[in-house]
Amino acid sequence: QKEVEQDPGPLSVPEGAIVSLNCTYSNSAFQYFMWYRQYSRKGPELLMYTYSSGNKEDGRFTAQVDKSSKYISLFIRDSQPSDSATYLCAMSRITSYDKVIFGPGTSLSVIP
Amino acid sequence: GAVVSQHPSRVICKSGTSVKIECRSLDFQATTMFWYRQFPKQSLMLMATSNEGSKATYEQGVEKDKFLINHASLTLSTLTVTSAHPEDSSFYICSARLSLGSYEQYFGPGTRLTVT
Repeated sequence: QKEVEQDPGPLSVPEGAIVSLNCTYSNSAFQYFMWYRQYSRKGPELLMYTYSSGNKEDGRFTAQVDKSSKYISLFIRDSQPSDSATYLCAMSRITSYDKVIFGPGTSLSVIP
Repeated sequence: GAVVSQHPSRVICKSGTSVKIECRSLDFQATTMFWYRQFPKQSLMLMATSNEGSKATYEQGVEKDKFLINHASLTLSTLTVTSAHPEDSSFYICSARLSLGSYEQYFGPGTRLTVT
């Protein structure tokens, strides 16, 4: 079983839709969770990060963590064509020297 | 803030030659930098972790003599692909961590290497 699993998609939604992107993980030691957005042929861009279970909101983006289920989500409200990209979840244990484990990414297309 | 640059953005080289890729943190000091490789439509594969002033830690299966990493300062790390072969063609991305107490990584724009 991979440490982090993510549906690769592709996911295609109409403009304005609410998008739900999800990851599951197997290691209960993961305590720090991140979401990255990667446009084609570009480096990943950090969108959000959180330590705790629950929701964290930033503009149109909401990150949700459920540690009991080992499940994290990223919601995008009022999706725009510019949101079309690959979204990578990432997580790490609390020790600062631990490497970050990335999910394989979900490809999202928002259709005008 | 937290800007990371990479140079070059794209390079084409002949088989057998060496290529150096630079990764710089522009507005912060990075105690740790990371080098990743990414194949088309696949996720990031960590190659090595680089700490300033010490030897890089390579992931299993990554040849340290082929992928030379130097982290000479808190703002610069370099990856040299030695004796490049066509199978080394890939997208190489570096990232930097702000400090020992932070977990989020900030990525460079990547370097597309093509070996002919």
